[in-house]
Order: sequence, then C-alpha cells, then structure tokens
Amino acid sequence: DQQVKQNSPSLSVQEGRISILNCDYTNSMFDYFLWYKKYPAEGPTFLISISSIKDKNEDGRFTVFLNKSAKHLSLHIVPSQPGDSAVYFCAASSGGGADGLTFGKGTHLIIQP
Amino acid sequence: SAVISQKPSRDICQRGTSLTIQCQVDSQVTMMFWYRQQPGQSLTLIATANQGSEATYESGFVIDKFPISRPNLTFSTLTVSNMSPEDSSIYLCSVRTSGDYSYNEQFFGPGTRLTVL
Repeated sequence: DQQVKQNSPSLSVQEGRISILNCDYTNSMFDYFLWYKKYPAEGPTFLISISSIKDKNEDGRFTVFLNKSAKHLSLHIVPSQPGDSAVYFCAASSGGGADGLTFGKGTHLIIQP
Repeated sequence: SAVISQKPSRDICQRGTSLTIQCQVDSQVTMMFWYRQQPGQSLTLIATANQGSEATYESGFVIDKFPISRPNLTFSTLTVSNMSPEDSSIYLCSVRTSGDYSYNEQFFGPGTRLTVL
C-alpha cells in the first residue's frame, strides 16, 4: 500500500514556464513533507519542505503548497531552467519530521529549450 | 548541510556473500538512516541507526539480514548479509541534523550501487 503517490512518472515543460509537480498521501499521521531532486548516480538533494501547520512555503524559484484536507501537495518551479531536469521525489514524515521518510516513486521532469 | 560520504560507491558481489557499506559524516549528527532504492522503485527506509543502542528496523527488514552499527555520532555501517540478486539496489544513508537550518530536513549521501550476481 503506497502511502505517498506521485501519479505522473514524467513531465515535460518548456524553459521559462512553470513546472508543477504533484503528490498525494494517504497517511493522516504525516505532518512534515519534503521535496528532493535526484540526478542519476547521485543521492537525493533536499529542495524544500513544509510543516502541516502551514499551507505554503517559498524558497527562491521553488514553492510548495499543502492542502491537508485533500491530502495533496505540489511543488511549483518558476521559471523552469534546463538544470531543473531531474527526478523529483516527494517525501513525508510523522513526528514533526523526526521519523524516517516515506517516498513517492518520483516524477521525471524534463525542461525543453 | 552536512557532507556525507559512502564507501564503496559501487560493488559487484556473488550471491551468498556479505558487503559492509560505510557512511561518514563531517559533523556530529543526531539521527542517521539507511534507505535502499531498488531498480525502478522509490526509496524505502530500512532502519534508523541509533547511537549507543540497537537500530530500529522498518517492517520487512530484519537485523540478521541488515545488521547496522553506529559506534559514534559521525559514522555508521550497514551490512547486507547472505546476498541474493534481489538485494541489487542503491543503498543510501541519510542524516538529520540541528543547526542554523531547519531541524527536520534529511540529507543524503551519494549512495552505494550494489549488484549481486
């Protein structure tokens, strides 16, 4: 039973446009959510996180939105750049982030020139 | 963020053998975790490596198969025992630290790519 779901295996976006990556979760105990970016042959790189007490967190070009009632979060990247091409993982944790992470299967983002 | 290194970066092993993966962090950290990523799959938490006590394993993972050591606040090892081809995965350690940035982010090492023949 997958507790964190990323239903789009891949997403193609033109350079300069907005990239929106989506993530759904089923476990109501999750209270901390993170996005990671991963290049081949490297470990995941932390991008941005959000606590369940917030509905939005922004860091530069990256914004994460959390809709607790829908158990849905999204990552917005504006503007998209070629270096953003990578696999993006959504992850969730309980205990305020103290516990290990449960990951989605990832979305492969391709930024086209 | 912490700088994390793993050894080896990759290995090819014969079934029935064991491999120990090392994870070294450049600063003292409170929590260390071990994950694996099987081919085409997501990352799955294996266990939490606790300093000074036994590791805490997730459902489906047992100490006999994946013994973990955490002798101090900067180092941990994961052993993959009696390997089979199904153990072929990328194994990653991660750390959670406190500091100037948020307490709750986890940072990952580069991973160890294991192939079992």
